[in-house]
Amino acid sequence: KAGVTQTPRYLIKTRGQQVTLSCSPISGHRSVSWYQQTPGQGLQFLFEYFSETQRNKGNFPGRFSGRQFSNSRSEMNVSTLELGDSALYLCASSFFGTGSYEQYFGPGTRLTVT
Amino acid sequence: QQQVKQSPQSLIVQKGGISIINCAYENTAFDYFPWYQQFPGKGPALLIAIRPDVSEKKEGRFTISFNKSAKQFSLHIMDSQPGDSATYFCAASRPSGAGSYQLTFGKGTKLSVIP
Repeated sequence: KAGVTQTPRYLIKTRGQQVTLSCSPISGHRSVSWYQQTPGQGLQFLFEYFSETQRNKGNFPGRFSGRQFSNSRSEMNVSTLELGDSALYLCASSFFGTGSYEQYFGPGTRLTVT
Repeated sequence: QQQVKQSPQSLIVQKGGISIINCAYENTAFDYFPWYQQFPGKGPALLIAIRPDVSEKKEGRFTISFNKSAKQFSLHIMDSQPGDSATYFCAASRPSGAGSYQLTFGKGTKLSVIP
């Protein structure tokens, strides 16, 4: 099976702009989670989507939003970009195994805000 | 509030030695504990995971030890190799309603295995 794919891999944006990142999960996986990774804060949970519905949300401002399509592909959007939004954004595709919860990560999108 | 504390932040081990990374948690609702390995420029990759009803799980050179009463778990890498040099994250998962689970990660340990 192909792994989780994320596009684009790199982005440079200016403060105040908005950005949309895309994630395609592993075939058959219906849950997609998004994380922000920074050197200072580590991996922080943004939100999770399952069957086109947001099931869970982390402690991020409303500028961060997402959606999921019927084919399980997901997008996340960040509006009014701030310098502090520079980070690696990771998408994880989820499989609910027997007694376990396994997440498989994509390579991430490196966002730089100038 | 950091719910999963990981130590050490960095670790240097000689080739062939044992690498040990420790994690502690507070929330007893956590019921699944995975470890991830991340190389530069890559996303984290699931390495090994354990449930709290098991005290130890071994896969090849990687072993998780779990102490439920102490709310601690650790990753042991036996016969460490330079190719193991990466950042390792422990995580803990708990149900968060509507069939959803949420992963909380430790801050990571940068492991360097020197020849």
